[in-house]
Amino acid sequence: KAGVTQTPRYLIKTRGQQVTLSCSPISGHRSVSWYQQTPGQGLQFLFEYFSETQRNKGNFPGRFSGRQFSNSRSEMNVSTLELGDSALYLCASSLVGLSGYTFGSGTRLTVV
Amino acid sequence: AQTVTQSQPEMSVQEAETVTLSCTYDTSESNYYLFWYKQPPSRQMILVIRQEAYKQQNATENRFSVNFQKAAKSFSLKISDSQLGDTAMYFCAFMPLLTGANSKLTFGKGITLSVRP
Repeated sequence: KAGVTQTPRYLIKTRGQQVTLSCSPISGHRSVSWYQQTPGQGLQFLFEYFSETQRNKGNFPGRFSGRQFSNSRSEMNVSTLELGDSALYLCASSLVGLSGYTFGSGTRLTVV
Repeated sequence: AQTVTQSQPEMSVQEAETVTLSCTYDTSESNYYLFWYKQPPSRQMILVIRQEAYKQQNATENRFSVNFQKAAKSFSLKISDSQLGDTAMYFCAFMPLLTGANSKLTFGKGITLSVRP
């Protein structure tokens, strides 16, 4: 079966712009989580969605937001981009009630 | 809050040999899961092995096994018969067990493992 699909793979944006990243979970998975990975901070949890509702949120500013659609696909949005937002953004999906997540290959965002 | 510590930033091992990656964690939770994920240069995080805290038996998956010491809050990964394809960054991760829901993963900083031919 298809894995977790993230688009685009690479993105270059200018400071002050906004960006939207997309994640399609494994078919049947209703939970989608987002993580930010940087060399300095490592992997940090952004938020988790289940059935179109945000259930859990990490310690990120309000510029970071997300949503989930009825087909479980998810998007995350970052507004007013800063240089420090440059990172690999990973999406992961999971079946409810099962432990562990399946990750996508990520979107590499570079802010210049 | 949970913390996960991987104190070794890098390790190297000869092909076909055995290597152990260390991980310690801190939590006040009694029910949780522990994971080892592998991230090769392709960037995709791949689940290597999972351990439920309520299970005393150490998890094994082919060449991968863990040494789970709950009292010591230690969770090390042993890779036997190392292969070149094992070269990757390895992350230890913690997730509390919440009834009826998944929860967030807390990751360690990771360790870069290089397998030498």
